[in-house]
Amino acid sequence: DQQVKQNSPSLSVQEGRISILNCDYTNSMFDYFLWYKKYPAEGPTFLISISSIKDKNEDGRFTVFLNKSAKHLSLHIVPSQPGDSAVYFCAASVGGSSGSARQLTFGSGTQLTVLP
Amino acid sequence: DAGITQSPRHKVTETGTPVTLRCHQTENHRYMYWYRQDPGHGLRLIHYSYGVKDTDKGEVSDGYSVSRSKTEDFLLTLESATSSQTSVYFCAISSRAGTQYFGPGTRLTVL
Repeated sequence: DQQVKQNSPSLSVQEGRISILNCDYTNSMFDYFLWYKKYPAEGPTFLISISSIKDKNEDGRFTVFLNKSAKHLSLHIVPSQPGDSAVYFCAASVGGSSGSARQLTFGSGTQLTVLP
Repeated sequence: DAGITQSPRHKVTETGTPVTLRCHQTENHRYMYWYRQDPGHGLRLIHYSYGVKDTDKGEVSDGYSVSRSKTEDFLLTLESATSSQTSVYFCAISSRAGTQYFGPGTRLTVL
């Protein structure tokens, strides 16, 4: 039972256009969401995060939107660049008691290809 | 970049042999994690640590054990490797804030 789902295994976008990557979740207890980017043969790199008390967080070309009623998360990249071509993972976690670790639950990833 | 290293980076071993993977951090973070990445599954948590000698199981802990005797080192051991444990293994660290930072990964092949 996947609690975090990325239903699109791949996405192709022209350079300069917007890339929209989507993520759905089922656990209403998730209160912190993250996006990671992963290049081949490297570890995932943190991109951007959002707390459940917000519906939008922006960092340069990257914006994450959270729709709690729909249990839906999206990452917008504007403008897309060829260097953005990578696998993107969304992840979610539940806030624990003070001192406890936050366990991340990952989606299966979306391969983004930005075409020059 | 967070100061995380993993060793070895690549390993090929045979079924039934013990294997230990090492994660080393220079950030003095309290929390450390081990994940495996497989096609179609994203990353799945194996074990995590919330302090020296304090560890707990994750989603896919069967066949794995961990140890943390120092803040900076977190070891993952496969007591008797099986072909189903062929995977890419990532270590991660975090402060309480929640964002986890990942190491470069270890590609393990069990023949």
